Order: sequence, then C-alpha cells, then structure tokens
Amino acid sequence: GAVVSQHPSRVICKSGTSVKIECRSLDFQATTMFWYRQFPKKSLMLMATSNEGSKATYEQGVEKDKFLINHASLTLSTLTVTSAHPEDSSFYICSARDQGVADTQYFGPGTRLTVL
Amino acid sequence: LAKTTQPISMDSYEGQEVNITCSHNNIATNDYITWYQQFPSQGPRFIIQGYKTKVTNEVASLFIPADRKSSTLSLPRVSLSDTAVYYCLVGDIQGDDKIIFGKGTRLHILP
Repeated sequence: GAVVSQHPSRVICKSGTSVKIECRSLDFQATTMFWYRQFPKKSLMLMATSNEGSKATYEQGVEKDKFLINHASLTLSTLTVTSAHPEDSSFYICSARDQGVADTQYFGPGTRLTVL
Repeated sequence: LAKTTQPISMDSYEGQEVNITCSHNNIATNDYITWYQQFPSQGPRFIIQGYKTKVTNEVASLFIPADRKSSTLSLPRVSLSDTAVYYCLVGDIQGDDKIIFGKGTRLHILP
C-alpha cells in the first residue's frame, strides 16, 4: 500500500516550453501533496505544499507563476514548469500525505527534467 | 519544525549492523521521528517511524531515548544494496507540518 506514482519519469524539452508533471496517490486519498526539487548530490528542497481544492502554498524564493501547481482531486496533483530554462533542469519529486493508520508522507519515484 | 543533525557520511562492511544517530534537541511534544532511504535518481523510501522507545519492522529498528532528543536507526546485517542516503526527519504528522529535509547521511557499504 501507500504507492505514489509520477509521470513522466524523464522529460527533455526545449527552452521556453512548458512541462507538466503528474503525481498520483494510487491506493489512498491525499488531501495534501508536496513538491520538491533535488540537485545532484544535494538534499531535497521543498518547493510548495499542494492542498486539494485550494491554492498551493509556495516556499520562499519559489516563483508561483513559474511553477504552477494544481491539486484538483484527492489523488492527483500536477506541477507545470512554465517557460522552462536550462537552470530549471533538476529532479522533481512529489510526496503525498497518507492520513490513514500510519500518518506519514510517501514519495513518488521522481521526474528528471532536462531543459536544452 | 525541529532541526536534525546527522553524520554526513558513514562506511561499513557487508554483514555488519549499522547504527545512524540523529540529534533533534528541540523536538516538540507532537513530533514523530521518521527515517527515509534514498537511492540515486529515486524518490525517498519510507523506512520506519516512531514516537518513543523502540520500533522494529522487517527492515530496521528505531531506538528513541526517553528525552527524545535523539534517535538511532539500526540496520541489521547490511548488504551492498543498502548503500544510500538516509534522512532523519522530525515533524507533527497529525498536523500540517511540511517535511524539511536535512543533508542526510550517505552510507557506503563495502564488500
């Protein structure tokens, strides 16, 4: 149980285009999902908290107009990187909070974004 | 959010027991302690979670002293595949605490 998926696992795009990453909780409902990014050899950095049916809460320094988050259902959150640039190349990871018996967060497998 | 401190890296050998200690001096009453494992280019994987004393599952044990200001993740008889980064996280899982990752411990298992 407590499986979180992400799609796509890897994406390469041209500078200036937009990329959408999906995060799904497969066997539980998640009112809260989180989005992280991770650079090589570094720890995960929280970007935003996504709440079902309401606006996302962004961490300081994260541009909300560049990283659009939508949490339209209890099992799906999407992150859209708009007008991507090479510096946006990173490993993006989502997590979903399972408020069941073991209230904790479970992470997706990550999405490797490369912007050319 | 309680800040955590872990060793940056550790080396051990196959078949040994590995203990990774995490300090969290300002842990709050409602905070739980959770450990995750991360392999390169993968999302973190939940290992174990506890509040006090000892918790054991099929993968690891978690030891938490009475003052809860530290915790120790114990991995029995490690193998090469246990080489990974291990993160200790502290937060109020019943509340809306977001998880803030520290630097983690890079564990390297040698043959």
